[in-house]
Amino acid sequence: DAGVTQSPTHLIKTRGQQVTLRCSPKSGHDTVSWYQQALGQGPQFIFQYYEEEERQRGNFPDRFSGHQFPNYSSELNVNALLLGDSALYLCASTLLGGSSYNEQFFGPGTRLTVL
Amino acid sequence: QQQVKQSPQSLIVQKGGIPIINCAYENTAFDYFPWYQQFPGKGPALLIAIRPDVSEKKEGRFTISFNKSAKQFSLHIMDSQPGDSATYFCAAINSGGYQKVTFGTGTKLQVIP
Repeated sequence: DAGVTQSPTHLIKTRGQQVTLRCSPKSGHDTVSWYQQALGQGPQFIFQYYEEEERQRGNFPDRFSGHQFPNYSSELNVNALLLGDSALYLCASTLLGGSSYNEQFFGPGTRLTVL
Repeated sequence: QQQVKQSPQSLIVQKGGIPIINCAYENTAFDYFPWYQQFPGKGPALLIAIRPDVSEKKEGRFTISFNKSAKQFSLHIMDSQPGDSATYFCAAINSGGYQKVTFGTGTKLQVIP
């Protein structure tokens, strides 16, 4: 089991550009969440995808959008990049459902640098 | 709004010492409290977790203490080792909601040989 995988590992963009980050969930998981981790900070929740729909969204502007595919993999898109978007973007997956909480597993992240 | 407050920001201990990291939360809807360990260049990895109906949980050298009335919880690392040097995040989750993880601000731990 490869766990949660993310691509690319690193990315450098300039202000105003658009970027797409990709995530493959852990085998057997159906839910993907995205987090932004600025340097020296804790991860901040961006949004969560389940059954190909956005279920919940954190305090992020509409420049941040996502998609989930039928195989449960997901993409995070950021438009009109700002310097402040430079961060580690983490993907987490879990199996949703039932009355109990199922652990979320995090990927290694994509380091985005905006110049 | 910082819903989970964590302290200290950084911590240096000698090998064998017992670092303690403290967290406090505000939202009483939180009912699951994990701790994550993160090494440079890696994603957070679950270390140990507790529910508020339990006051203490031990797994190996890691212990969580939980005070529901004070809305505080802490992580103790027994017999700390240089390999424990990492950033530690407390977190809180409303398992009945959308289950997003609300993280603390992190504690950078350095264990000196």
